Amino acid sequence: QVQLAQSGAEVKKPGASVKVSCKASGYSFTTYYIHWVRQAPGQGLEWMGRINPSGGDTRYAQKFQGGITMTRDTSTSTVYLDLSSLRSDDTAVYYCARDIGGGGGYFDYWGQGTLVSVSS
Amino acid sequence: QSALTQPVSVSGSPGQSITISCTGTSVDLSNYGYVSWYQQHPGKVPKLIIYDVTTRPSGVSNRFSGSKSGNTASLTISGLQAEDEADYYCSSYTSNSHLVFGGGTKLTVL
Repeated sequence: QVQLAQSGAEVKKPGASVKVSCKASGYSFTTYYIHWVRQAPGQGLEWMGRINPSGGDTRYAQKFQGGITMTRDTSTSTVYLDLSSLRSDDTAVYYCARDIGGGGGYFDYWGQGTLVSVSS
Repeated sequence: QSALTQPVSVSGSPGQSITISCTGTSVDLSNYGYVSWYQQHPGKVPKLIIYDVTTRPSGVSNRFSGSKSGNTASLTISGLQAEDEADYYCSSYTSNSHLVFGGGTKLTVL
């Protein structure tokens, strides 16, 4: 069955960096885009960007340009989200999601979420 | 890219129907058919309930239906049930190949 398994919760200090992983299984990894979506405590969903696991090309929301990097490792079917220069308002649950819409953003499977807490 | 506009909250009684609106602009919802809706229960992962404006994934109840007119998409839930109480989010593809979510709507079943 399709699964997206994310890495565990992280606690970081302001200014630090963190790398969240998302390991896909149960389907052909290079077939579908993977997106990252975050949700701050008590807030709504926010699209961060996506990566094409086949070619590695990425698109980032303007808000996150320069602050995030998405990469993939086809040998392990894993996508990574690098967050740099963390601030307290980056505290959120970060989700990866599989896109069956060819970039159109139809997320049929989601990871379980990774809580990143940023606090001094 | 500004978020799509959704009502903060809606409510209805069991058995009734409710509609949640999602308003965008010409750079997103108005000119693209890539509209989807998600249901999220507290503490849970979002669940895809509508995509391509009107299509229900396998296993999603036919009480959920979607539509779009101009720059507004809508999610209708008929025959409200207690289990429908959740947050609902719309999403649209945008002109610069990005995505945008609505701010979310909290549905209360009275």
